[in-house]
Amino acid sequence: SQQGEEDPQALSIQEGENATMNCSYKTSINNLQWYRQNSGRGLVHLILIRSNEREKHSGRLRVTLDTSKKSSSLLITASRAADTASYFCAWDNYGQNFVFGPGTRLSVLP
Amino acid sequence: DTGVSQDPRHKITKRGQNVTFRCDPISEHNRLYWYRQTLGQGPEFLTYFQNEAQLEKSRLLSDRFSAERPKGSFSTLEIQRTEQGDSAMYLCASNPLGGGGFFGQGTRLTVV
Repeated sequence: SQQGEEDPQALSIQEGENATMNCSYKTSINNLQWYRQNSGRGLVHLILIRSNEREKHSGRLRVTLDTSKKSSSLLITASRAADTASYFCAWDNYGQNFVFGPGTRLSVLP
Repeated sequence: DTGVSQDPRHKITKRGQNVTFRCDPISEHNRLYWYRQTLGQGPEFLTYFQNEAQLEKSRLLSDRFSAERPKGSFSTLEIQRTEQGDSAMYLCASNPLGGGGFFGQGTRLTVV
C-alpha cells in the first residue's frame, strides 16, 4: 500500500493544551501537506512543507519534516474546541497524486 | 466563490442506477483530482487530469467508474450500475503544478 501511517489514531486533550500528530510515509516526496476535516465535510488545506524545508509555521500550527526518517509532525498550540476535527497528512509523490494517511481524530474538550 | 465546487452535495440512488458527479476546479488550476473517502478512512486516490489529459486512471475502482474533463475546465465522474459498496464521499481537488491541493466539499453518495 502507498499509504503511510498517522499516530495517534485518536487524541483527546483539554482546551489550551498542545496537540501533536505524527505522519510517516513510504516514498520520496516533493512536498507534504496537512489537512483538517470536520465531520462530513471537505478537506481544508492547512499547510504545505516542501522536501527541502525542515520546519514551517502558520499561526498556531507548526509542521516539521524529516525526509531521512520519512516523517512529519503537526503541532497545534493552545488548542481550542473549534480545532476538534480529523487531521490528515498527504504527500505529493512527484506530481502523481496526493497520498493520504489514515488520519488522526482530535477532540479538544472545553 | 472561487473555491472548488462539487455538485450535487448529496445523492441517493438505487442499486443499479448510473450517477454522475460534477467538479468545477479553481479556474487557474490545471490539475484536477478525484478521490473517494469512506467513513473513518483517509481519501483514496482515483484519477487525475492535467488540463484535459487524464494522466492516471489505473486506480479507478472498476470499469464502472469513468471520469472526463473535456475542455480542461470542469470534470465529471460517472459510476455505472451502482452497488452498495460505492456508497462513500467523492472528493474533487485542484491545484497548480507543485502546489497544495484545494478540495471541494464533496459529494456524498448513498446507494440503497
